[in-house]
Amino acid sequence: DAGVIQSPRHEVTEMGQEVTLRCKPISGHDYLFWYRQTMMRGLELLIYFNNNVPIDDSGMPEDRFSAKMPNASFSTLKIQPSEPRDSAVYFCASSMGLAGGSNEQFFGPGTRLTVL
Amino acid sequence: AQSVTQPDIHITVSEGASLELRCNYSYGATPYLFWYVQSPGQGLQLLLKYFSGDTLVQGIKGFEAEFKRSQSSFNLRKPSVHWSDAAEYFCAVGALEEYGNKLVFGAGTILRVKS
Repeated sequence: DAGVIQSPRHEVTEMGQEVTLRCKPISGHDYLFWYRQTMMRGLELLIYFNNNVPIDDSGMPEDRFSAKMPNASFSTLKIQPSEPRDSAVYFCASSMGLAGGSNEQFFGPGTRLTVL
Repeated sequence: AQSVTQPDIHITVSEGASLELRCNYSYGATPYLFWYVQSPGQGLQLLLKYFSGDTLVQGIKGFEAEFKRSQSSFNLRKPSVHWSDAAEYFCAVGALEEYGNKLVFGAGTILRVKS
């Protein structure tokens, strides 16, 4: 298996533009997670899905952020409009079974977002 | 309240020296415990995990960790560090009853290896 795939790997955009980050989880995994990593705040969980359904979006910073999972093999994280403070590395991870239990989360390589 | 504490932001060790990275958690029962490593520009990779049983667990790349219930700790160790171990290390806790279906990560410890 190719692992968790994220695209793009790097994104540079201007303030006010819409940004869409993409993720393909490992086939057969039923949980998908979106994280944001910054120097100031570390690794933060934004939202996670179970069987394509959003379960907990309490980490989504504000209404400018939205996430979807239209099918088991694809998810998007959208920021509209983007702001410089959104600059971070965004990770997607997937797992089979309950992540709060014994199941390992597999991380993608991340998307480094820079908002000018 | 901080659920997972990694007290050391940076650690520098000489190549060949031993290493111990500290992790403490706050949770009443025994949680699921993980150590992940993040190399520069990469995602996180699982080193090892503990659920129950033997409190000393072995992981990949020669790492091991010991769970100590009395100290609420899960410290990561390696007897001899290699230059390729330079990375950031994250301790994570899973506790279904308290955190639901998600992991809570510590702030990370950056390991520098000097030759």
